Amino acid sequence: GAGVSQSPSNKVTEKGKDVELRCDPISGHTALYWYRQSLGQGLEFLIYFQGNSAPDKSGLPSDRFSAERTGGSVSTLTIQRTQQEDSAVYLCASSLGSGHLTNEQYFGPGTRLTVT
Amino acid sequence: SQQGEEDPQALSIQEGENATMNCSYKTSINNLQWYRQNSGRGLVHLILIRSNEREKHSGRLRVTLDTSKKSSSLLITASRAADTASYFCATVTGANNLFFGTGTRLTVIP
Repeated sequence: GAGVSQSPSNKVTEKGKDVELRCDPISGHTALYWYRQSLGQGLEFLIYFQGNSAPDKSGLPSDRFSAERTGGSVSTLTIQRTQQEDSAVYLCASSLGSGHLTNEQYFGPGTRLTVT
Repeated sequence: SQQGEEDPQALSIQEGENATMNCSYKTSINNLQWYRQNSGRGLVHLILIRSNEREKHSGRLRVTLDTSKKSSSLLITASRAADTASYFCATVTGANNLFFGTGTRLTVIP
């Protein structure tokens, strides 16, 4: 079946512009996660959606970052007034549920964001 | 930080040899997971080991967990060139987020 998809695969933007990154999770997965992977670094958790619960935004690095998940499916990560340090690969993942035993996460291919 | 730390950062071996990667973490966990990331591709889940488990096998993969030392190891036996990738450990604590380490870059030379 289809996996997690993300778009665009690559995005180059000028400093100060806003960008939107999209994630389509696996159908039926109630949990959705956004991560960021900077060059040479480990993955950094950004935000987590579980069903209709309020999202866990504890990983968002600043108020320039926000995310929405409409209809419990597609999610959009928005970065406002982009900075060069925002350049990274942004990965989305989904999982069946929030229980620890069902926490296997399936990752999308990522969006490579370059801020010039 | 709850991030795990992998050791070594990079590992280069000949095809057919075994590869061992280690992961250390800082807080109590519910489970620990290993992921593989091929260059330019998304992460692929390899194996999950729960905090009450000590060892788990999946094909050529063997994972151990020592909660007293807050460490885990991933062993890949009889390595193949296709195993060349970055390997990450990730911990799950009370919340449901994964906290990843910086990864080990494995190169298997044909």
